[in-house]
Amino acid sequence: EAGVAQSPRYKIIEKRQSVAFWCNPISGHATLYWYQQILGQGPKLLIQFQNNGVVDDSQLPKDRFSAERLKGVDSTLKIQPAKLEDSAVYLCASSFGYWGSATEAFFGQGTRLTVV
Amino acid sequence: KQEVTQIPAALSVPEGENLVLNCSFTDSAIYNLQWFRQDPGKGLTSLLLIQSSQREQTSGRLNASLDKSSGRSTLYIAASQPGDSATYLCAVSSNDYKLSFGAGTTVTVRA
Repeated sequence: EAGVAQSPRYKIIEKRQSVAFWCNPISGHATLYWYQQILGQGPKLLIQFQNNGVVDDSQLPKDRFSAERLKGVDSTLKIQPAKLEDSAVYLCASSFGYWGSATEAFFGQGTRLTVV
Repeated sequence: KQEVTQIPAALSVPEGENLVLNCSFTDSAIYNLQWFRQDPGKGLTSLLLIQSSQREQTSGRLNASLDKSSGRSTLYIAASQPGDSATYLCAVSSNDYKLSFGAGTTVTVRA
């Protein structure tokens, strides 16, 4: 079974530039998450999708971050304009069940973003 | 709001010693708890998933226990090896539909 795919693996941009990350979840997984992990901290949920609908985006900085999940499969996360404090690893995860059905979450390799 | 704490933040042991990693959470109304391993610069690898109705889960040298009423989980790694060196994260799936993470415990196993 193929895992969660993310691209790119690394990205370096200047502040105020824009950047986009892509995620392809495990086939058949209804739930998709984007997490931000700052060095030395645990992952923080940015947005959670159930199929192509948003379940939770309460911690997404909506003035600069946006995300969409096309046809309930692939997802993109965009930052525009980027700030220095956005430097982090962005992790995508997926799980089979709907939230509350207690299924295992699987993570991609992450995208390491450095804003200079 | 669910708060997840992992203590200690870092741990160094000689090879062969058993590892004990702790995770505590504030809201006992959980669906499940998952332990992950993270190697430097990599994503998260799922190690064990414990459903809220279970008391423990085992996989090879790994054993995880769950005491939901006291808000605690413990990950035991028997006979540690240098390859076990990594950061271990616990994550709790709560009734508010979120997966909340601790900050992790960074383990170093000395050869």
